[in-house]
Amino acid sequence: EAQVTQNPRYLITVTGKKLTVTCSQNMNHEYMSWYRQDPGLGLRQIYYSMNVEVTDKGDVPEGYKVSRKEKRNFPLILESPSPNQTSLYFCASRAGTSGRWSSYNEQFFGPGTRLTVL
Amino acid sequence: GIQVEQSPPDLILQEGANSTLRCNFSDSVNNLQWFHQNPWGQLINLFYIPSGTKQNGRLSATTVATERYSLLYISSSQTTDSGVYFCAVRKGGSQGNLIFGKGTKLSVKP
Repeated sequence: EAQVTQNPRYLITVTGKKLTVTCSQNMNHEYMSWYRQDPGLGLRQIYYSMNVEVTDKGDVPEGYKVSRKEKRNFPLILESPSPNQTSLYFCASRAGTSGRWSSYNEQFFGPGTRLTVL
Repeated sequence: GIQVEQSPPDLILQEGANSTLRCNFSDSVNNLQWFHQNPWGQLINLFYIPSGTKQNGRLSATTVATERYSLLYISSSQTTDSGVYFCAVRKGGSQGNLIFGKGTKLSVKP
């Protein structure tokens, strides 16, 4: 089954304790990205990657790191989490980076990770 | 940047009723998608529809790109249709990210 997976799905941690949220897709997609969703602010992009070893900042990158060593994986790293990073996080992927055809443009989302930082 | 406005913000229906959700966007787009966020928080793809009309069971969508709006139709609504419906768009260019509207929160009562 074609899908985007994230782990963990739920996480409660404390301020300053480094954590990693994993993301993996099995669709051979080039483009992957991370979003956070907060009440009143909607979904905002954190980081994106257009291919292996190519990453760039989205709209709200502060406090986060990412890496793209393999095409299928795009982990999100919080080196020193703070309470303002409590949020619902989504990983997403799409096949390519150009064109109007759905096979390249349609974006798929993982199930989400609910993170609470105390 | 591009603005995405959805209406209505909230909608309460009796089971079996029909509804129309609207998405207006402020610029030409290369991608438009409709999502359903279920009560567990998952974002479910409904339609990829930068233009034209598509149908999938009780749901259908129409995008009129030249007039910069899209409509999502839900017929014979069921309680499982409850949740938040998001419209998201992306401008052309490889780096563009999806810009989401604020959503329409739908509650279907039995």
